[in-house]
Amino acid sequence: QQQVKQSPQSLIVQKGGISIINCAYENTAFDYFPWYQQFPGKGPALLIAIRPDVSEKKEGRFTISFNKSAKQFSLHIMDSQPGDSATYFCAASMSSGGGADGLTFGKGTHLIIQP
Amino acid sequence: GAVVSQHPSRVICKSGTSVKIECRSLDFQATTMFWYRQFPKQSLMLMATSNEGSKATYEQGVEKDKFLINHASLTLSTLTVTSAHPEDSSFYICSAHTGGKETQYFGPGTRLLVL
Repeated sequence: QQQVKQSPQSLIVQKGGISIINCAYENTAFDYFPWYQQFPGKGPALLIAIRPDVSEKKEGRFTISFNKSAKQFSLHIMDSQPGDSATYFCAASMSSGGGADGLTFGKGTHLIIQP
Repeated sequence: GAVVSQHPSRVICKSGTSVKIECRSLDFQATTMFWYRQFPKQSLMLMATSNEGSKATYEQGVEKDKFLINHASLTLSTLTVTSAHPEDSSFYICSAHTGGKETQYFGPGTRLLVL
């Protein structure tokens, strides 16, 4: 059972455009939703994260939109640049006792920004 | 801050040998560390949760006798792949977080190739 579904699998965007990646989750116990960026041969790097008590969070060119009733969240990358070309993963986890459980990842989106 | 290192970055070994991978939090104390495995062009899959001073918790389908985890201090967790076989070849990534916060910081990963 795939608990976090991510789409699209790959995405090509022109430089300066908006990149949009979508995720849907099934487990209503999830309460922490981060997005990670990964370059080939490297570990994932945290981009931005959101909790269900807010519908949107913006940090620089990155925005997370969260729809709790639909159990969906998305990443928007504004003014996309060639350096943004990477694989992006959405993830989800549950808080437990003040800490956190391991992350459940989506399958990833391979993003290419064309100059 | 929040830097996680892994050693080695890549290792090649013969089938049947054991390989130890270290994960260190360099500038913070990590009460919990996580180990993930990532096959080429695939997502990260949680293998186990490592808590300092206690036994690791393994995800369903992960053999605890094959993947030995030791979290001996608040800055070090080790993953030992015992009697490695070619199907164990993968990218192993650890993450760490401090108690009370859900943000996970990932290491750079270790590429294991079993011949």
